[in-house]
Amino acid sequence: QQQVKQSPQSLIVQKGGISIINCAYENTAFDYFPWYQQFPGKGPALLIAIRPDVSEKKEGRFTISFNKSAKQFSLHIMDSQPGDSATYFCAASKTGTASKLTFGTGTRLQVTL
Amino acid sequence: IAGITQAPTSQILAAGRRMTLRCTQDMRHNAMYWYRQDLGLGLRLIHYSNTAGTTGKGEVPDGYSVSRANTDDFPLTLASAVPSQTSVYFCASSVDSVRDTQYFGPGTRLTVL
Repeated sequence: QQQVKQSPQSLIVQKGGISIINCAYENTAFDYFPWYQQFPGKGPALLIAIRPDVSEKKEGRFTISFNKSAKQFSLHIMDSQPGDSATYFCAASKTGTASKLTFGTGTRLQVTL
Repeated sequence: IAGITQAPTSQILAAGRRMTLRCTQDMRHNAMYWYRQDLGLGLRLIHYSNTAGTTGKGEVPDGYSVSRANTDDFPLTLASAVPSQTSVYFCASSVDSVRDTQYFGPGTRLTVL
């Protein structure tokens, strides 16, 4: 049972464009939604995270939008750069249960010149 | 400060052999995790440990065992490897099982023939 569904599987965006990755979750108990970034040959690293008390969180060029009623959240990368080319994973858990972090299947982003 | 180290970096193993993947962290984190990463399936939790001396089963524990004798080390053992265990394995840690940010190691690429 896949509790966090992520799309698209892959994405190609031109430099300067907006990259958008979407995730949907099923478990209404989830209240912590992080995004991880993974470069080839490296382990995932936390990029940005949101809790459902806000609908949007922005850190630099990265923004999470959260829609609690639709049980969806998305990552927006503004002014995408070639250095953003990586695989992005959304995840979800219930606060305080770090061992129950459920990951999406990942989106491979390629930013072209 | 190394963070999380994993060894070996990669390994080719004959089916039926025993293998231990090593994970060491120097951040004095209480909680540690083992994930496997497979294309199209994202990251799936194998086992976790909330604190030294305790372990728990994740989503895909069959065929794997772990131990947590001290805070720093969290080895993962495949008692009798099978080809379906071919994967990239990531060790991660968090301050504790309540605070959700997980920090990942560089991974071990394991091939079982």
